[in-house]
Amino acid sequence: GNSVTQMEGPVTLSEEAFLTINCTYTATGYPSLFWYVQYPGEGLQLLLKATKADDKGSNKGFEATYRKETTSFHLEKGSVQVSDSAVYFCALSPWAGSYQLTFGKGTKLSVIP
Amino acid sequence: DAGVIQSPRHEVTEMGQEVTLRCKPISGHDYLFWYRQTMMRGLELLIYFNNNVPIDDSGMPEDRFSAKMPNASFSTLKIQPSEPRDSAVYFCASTLSGQGAGQPQHFGDGTRLSIL
Repeated sequence: GNSVTQMEGPVTLSEEAFLTINCTYTATGYPSLFWYVQYPGEGLQLLLKATKADDKGSNKGFEATYRKETTSFHLEKGSVQVSDSAVYFCALSPWAGSYQLTFGKGTKLSVIP
Repeated sequence: DAGVIQSPRHEVTEMGQEVTLRCKPISGHDYLFWYRQTMMRGLELLIYFNNNVPIDDSGMPEDRFSAKMPNASFSTLKIQPSEPRDSAVYFCASTLSGQGAGQPQHFGDGTRLSIL
């Protein structure tokens, strides 16, 4: 079946530090990959996505590259801010006509001044 | 454009009471999803609809849970009778099909349910 594994949190970083949150997936075929972010008291919001191998999704300084050879979609940001404190979810949609998402367990990020 | 709207935002009720959660998807979206989020289990898909028809309800925990979508702009998730272990944040999400790969789901802000 389809599954997403992301690094356990919580992660605590100082402001301006480099961020990596690892995500690997298992899926048959050619899934689309997503990162969602959840701020306190809110629902999940799409952060970025990639739909095919070697695609790079980017938004708000965050990036992730779809690596089919390593079945990975790691989230990175060069310099985090306090406002990036949130829970980050990696997710996949198994094929183009499927609208159901499989989510990882989430990684809580806290950025301290 | 308005996003996914859920009501109420918070609900506190006593065990055994009926609870009804409501969701208005984004206009024009044809898929609607109900999720439950807890610290222990994370984010769980309960049920989803396509064009108002339930497609997969395998995530509904037991017969106390039921969901309906009487029209394209409204869905309910009902728990009867409620139990303390149902305490969680319940999210509704919607999406539009036919837009190619990578179509994201759009989430509401959730209903925080506490069963005493």
